[in-house]
Amino acid sequence: GAGVSQTPSNKVTEKGKYVELRCDPISGHTALYWYRQSLGQGPEFLIYFQGTGAADDSGLPNDRFFAVRPEGSVSTLKIQRTERGDSAVYLCASSSTPSDTQYFGPGTRLTVL
Amino acid sequence: SQKIEQNSEALNIQEGKTATLTCNYTNYSPAYLQWYRQDPGRGPVFLLLIRENEKEKRKERLKVTFDTTLKQSLFHITASQPADSATYLCALGGDTSGTYKYIFGTGTRLKVLA
Repeated sequence: GAGVSQTPSNKVTEKGKYVELRCDPISGHTALYWYRQSLGQGPEFLIYFQGTGAADDSGLPNDRFFAVRPEGSVSTLKIQRTERGDSAVYLCASSSTPSDTQYFGPGTRLTVL
Repeated sequence: SQKIEQNSEALNIQEGKTATLTCNYTNYSPAYLQWYRQDPGRGPVFLLLIRENEKEKRKERLKVTFDTTLKQSLFHITASQPADSATYLCALGGDTSGTYKYIFGTGTRLKVLA
């Protein structure tokens, strides 16, 4: 079966632009997580969904970041007015339940010039 | 604030020896703790989960301990092999507030020398 997929694998954008990052979780997984990882650091929690709703969005750094999961499967992380400090690898993970094993995607490397 | 500490320096060990990695945490009462392996350019891969009421968990050459009094987990790889070289991350989840968000440590880079 397919694992978690993320698109694009790389995204280069200019400061101030809007970007969307997509995550396709493992089929049937109800929990979906977004993380951000900078070089030499561990993944930093951003938000997690249980079904269609954001169960905990306490990790979103500011209101430029927003995520949706309208049908309870695919999720999109949206970043408005990108800043150079947003450059990082954005990881998505899914699990069958929130307390279960998380399966990570390969990540999207975002570079803001 | 919640804090997780892992050995920030790389750990080099000789092939065949046991590698021991440490994860310490403060200001947190996790319901479970997970260990992940991460290779360069890839997402983390789940290895083991241990719950707060468990002291030890084993899987093949891997062993995890969880001491909620010391607020520490130890991760052991026995009979280490060069293929075990990677960064190992600990993650804590499920605190008393009911959230299932996970907090990751910065990871420890392990290098197994042939």
